[in-house]
Amino acid sequence: DGGITQSPKYLFRKEGQNVTLSCEQNLNHDAMYWYRQDPGQGLRLIYYSQIVNDFQKGDIAEGYSVSREKKESFPLTVTSAQKNPTAFYLCASSPSGTSGRAEQFFGPGTRLTVL
Amino acid sequence: QQQVKQSPQSLIVQKGGISIINCAYENTAFDYFPWYQQFPGKGPALLIAIRPDVSEKKEGRFTISFNKSAKQFSLHIMDSQPGDSATYFCAASKGGSYIPTFGRGTSLIVHP
Repeated sequence: DGGITQSPKYLFRKEGQNVTLSCEQNLNHDAMYWYRQDPGQGLRLIYYSQIVNDFQKGDIAEGYSVSREKKESFPLTVTSAQKNPTAFYLCASSPSGTSGRAEQFFGPGTRLTVL
Repeated sequence: QQQVKQSPQSLIVQKGGISIINCAYENTAFDYFPWYQQFPGKGPALLIAIRPDVSEKKEGRFTISFNKSAKQFSLHIMDSQPGDSATYFCAASKGGSYIPTFGRGTSLIVHP
């Protein structure tokens, strides 16, 4: 089955610790995204990547970092600098060549709770 | 600045009724308008999408109405069912940009 996988589904972290969220896709999509979802806030873009070894900050990149070493993988690190990291994190991908007019495919999400 | 305004924030409908969610956008360069459906604890999934060259698109019980002059588009769910209870997001994107702009979402509850 083609799709996007995120792991873990639930993640607990102590304050001051960095944590990495995994995102893998086998859809052969060039573009990948990370969103943060909070109640009533909709989907806010953290980082996105259009091609391997290249990525750009989204609207709320502070306290987060990413890498894109492989087409299939786009891990997100939530650093201790992120002041309010408890949220539901969604990874997405989309095909290239459609100039932005393309469906985004979302993973099942990771719920991060900082204790 | 919120470029896509979605309303209402929450909606309660009786089974068999019509659910209507509205979105308004500001950027006239937007030319792709998808709607996503998200069930609790899951990621959103594309429900239906429209381009501005048509005023309406229907897929089963779901219809998008598009008013280009008013810069508004809406989702109509006919014969709403309890299984339609979810959060719905509208979005807009434009050629040359891979970043869609999402509305803040509408939580729909359909009572049996």
